[in-house]
Amino acid sequence: EAGVAQSPRYKIIEKRQSVAFWCNPISGHATLYWYQQILGQGPKLLIQFQNNGVVDDSQLPKDRFSAERLKGVDSTLKIQPAKLEDSAVYLCASSLVRVISYNEQFFGPGTRLTVL
Amino acid sequence: QKEVEQDPGPLSVPEGAIVSLNCTYSNSAFQYFMWYRQYSRKGPELLMYTYSSGNKEDGRFTAQVDKSSKYISLFIRDSQPSDSATYLCAMSAGNQFYFGTGTSLTVIP
Repeated sequence: EAGVAQSPRYKIIEKRQSVAFWCNPISGHATLYWYQQILGQGPKLLIQFQNNGVVDDSQLPKDRFSAERLKGVDSTLKIQPAKLEDSAVYLCASSLVRVISYNEQFFGPGTRLTVL
Repeated sequence: QKEVEQDPGPLSVPEGAIVSLNCTYSNSAFQYFMWYRQYSRKGPELLMYTYSSGNKEDGRFTAQVDKSSKYISLFIRDSQPSDSATYLCAMSAGNQFYFGTGTSLTVIP
């Protein structure tokens, strides 16, 4: 079974530029998550989709971050304009939807963003 | 106050030692308690999860949850150099997921 795919793996931009990250979840996984992991910290959930609808985006800085999941499969996370403090690893995860059980999240390798 | 507190370490132990990793939390609504392992430049991978209070064992790993104390632990028996990684605790309530900062563990051969 193929895992969660993310691209690019690394990105270096200057502040005030825009950047986009792409995620392809595991086939059949209805739920998709984007996390931000700053160096030395645990992942912070930014947004959660179920199919192509947003379940939770309460921690997404909506003035500069946006995300979409068209057709309920691939997803894109965008930052516009980037700030120095956005330097982090952006992790994508996906899970099945089981009503009466734990929904294990499978993580991709992440995209390491450096903002100069 | 953070939702989840975890000692970042680093923790260094000799091969074969018993390792104890811990997290505390403040939200009594948390129902699922997870432990993830993260190798350098990789995404986290789930080790174990526990629903509500109690113990769960899987090979060399044992997870404990004490909801009355808002305290969870992961024990690793007979630690191996391949266990060297960052260990993250995580907790969830509904659609909310919170991770600890992670504890860096090195097992010395």
